[in-house]
Amino acid sequence: DAGITQSPRYKITETGRQVTLMCHQTWSHSYMFWYRQDLGHGLRLIYYSAAADITDKGEVPDGYVVSRSKTENFPLTLESATRSQTSVYFCASSKSPGGSYEQYFGPGTRLTVT
Amino acid sequence: QQQVKQSPQSLIVQKGGISIINCAYENTAFDYFPWYQQFPGKGPALLIAIRPDVSEKKEGRFTISFNKSAKQFSLHIMDSQPGDSATYFCAAGGGGATNKLIFGTGTLLAVQP
Repeated sequence: DAGITQSPRYKITETGRQVTLMCHQTWSHSYMFWYRQDLGHGLRLIYYSAAADITDKGEVPDGYVVSRSKTENFPLTLESATRSQTSVYFCASSKSPGGSYEQYFGPGTRLTVT
Repeated sequence: QQQVKQSPQSLIVQKGGISIINCAYENTAFDYFPWYQQFPGKGPALLIAIRPDVSEKKEGRFTISFNKSAKQFSLHIMDSQPGDSATYFCAAGGGGATNKLIFGTGTLLAVQP
């Protein structure tokens, strides 16, 4: 029972590079989310997806791109990384609306942009 | 209207004491109020949640108190233990066709032995 996994767990990249963070869930949950966690800001929603091929912006989407061609995968791409994108990134998934709103989080990816 | 304000930012409690963390929300459409617990190096995990049709929910040593008129809710940890040392996030969501949650800024709890 893998649940929700993220890769890589740690990443160091340079300013201007493109980097993709991967998220995979085995529950067939409809909803998937990407958050960034920064001290003093808590968890801020970057993008979310209600189903395959349906995505929408969250609170802090600038500089990020997402796609969801398959229900189980929700990659997050930083097209041209900046130092301000140094953060811990969490992916989460949730069942269909109308049921529990509980979100299940992955272990996180710590990204450092130098 | 989408903010959830959480306090305090950090909290130190002696073993056996009561830890209290408070949150306030603005959007009256919210109908789901969870608390998440996060240990260092891990993702947040649901601890306890409440719907606005009840004023209190208790699970073991953890209790949510909910005040709908004041748009506030709080987490009480009774008989706090060193193993409870973690970051706690309140959140609010629901009230629509999406499963989005708005999170507070987190409280770092340290329970001293």
